[in-house]
Amino acid sequence: DVKVTQSSRYLVKRTGEKVFLECVQDMDHENMFWYRQDPGLGLRLIYFSYDVKMKEKGDIPEGYSVSREKKERFSLILESASTNQTSMYLCASSFSGRGAAGNTIYFGEGSWLTVV
Amino acid sequence: KQEVTQIPAALSVPEGENLVLNCSFTDSAIYNLQWFRQDPGKGLTSLLLIQSSQREQTSGRLNASLDKSSGRSTLYIAASQPGDSATYLCAVRTSYGQNFVFGPGTRLSVLP
Repeated sequence: DVKVTQSSRYLVKRTGEKVFLECVQDMDHENMFWYRQDPGLGLRLIYFSYDVKMKEKGDIPEGYSVSREKKERFSLILESASTNQTSMYLCASSFSGRGAAGNTIYFGEGSWLTVV
Repeated sequence: KQEVTQIPAALSVPEGENLVLNCSFTDSAIYNLQWFRQDPGKGLTSLLLIQSSQREQTSGRLNASLDKSSGRSTLYIAASQPGDSATYLCAVRTSYGQNFVFGPGTRLSVLP
């Protein structure tokens, strides 16, 4: 089974702190994604990576950065956390191909971040 | 830009009822459409995937249909059970990119 693991399920951070959210997948997927999910707003894409060291901005990249130094690991960084970044963060991965293997996106369990 | 909507936003039904959840998308240039289930506080679990060339997919009590030309998909749940209570999201993968665009979800409650 595909496994996408998010290292922290629950975090509480102070305003202005630097926050790292880590995600690891074990299926050799090329694509990895970071979404945030808020009530009434659904899932919004923050950043997307299609290869090591490659990244693309999603719909809401402001206040975030990402790092992909190894294929299996994709990190989301909040340079200076703010209260409006309190949210559920979801990491996902998929193959990039157009065949059957490229069809499905797999999600981690999510990381609940509270910024106080 | 692709946009995905879902109706209704919330639904409450008694156990045993058959029900239909709706998903609409604005750009018919999709590669596939996928339905997910999300339990409170958890990640998303894939239920059914329909390729753009397909009209429907079935898994157990679930049946998903796709009408690409009209930009619509439905998820049919037969003989609903309390364990089906969750939020159901649809997502489309565009033909021209690697990204998935999600709808806001339908929150389903099945009452015993």
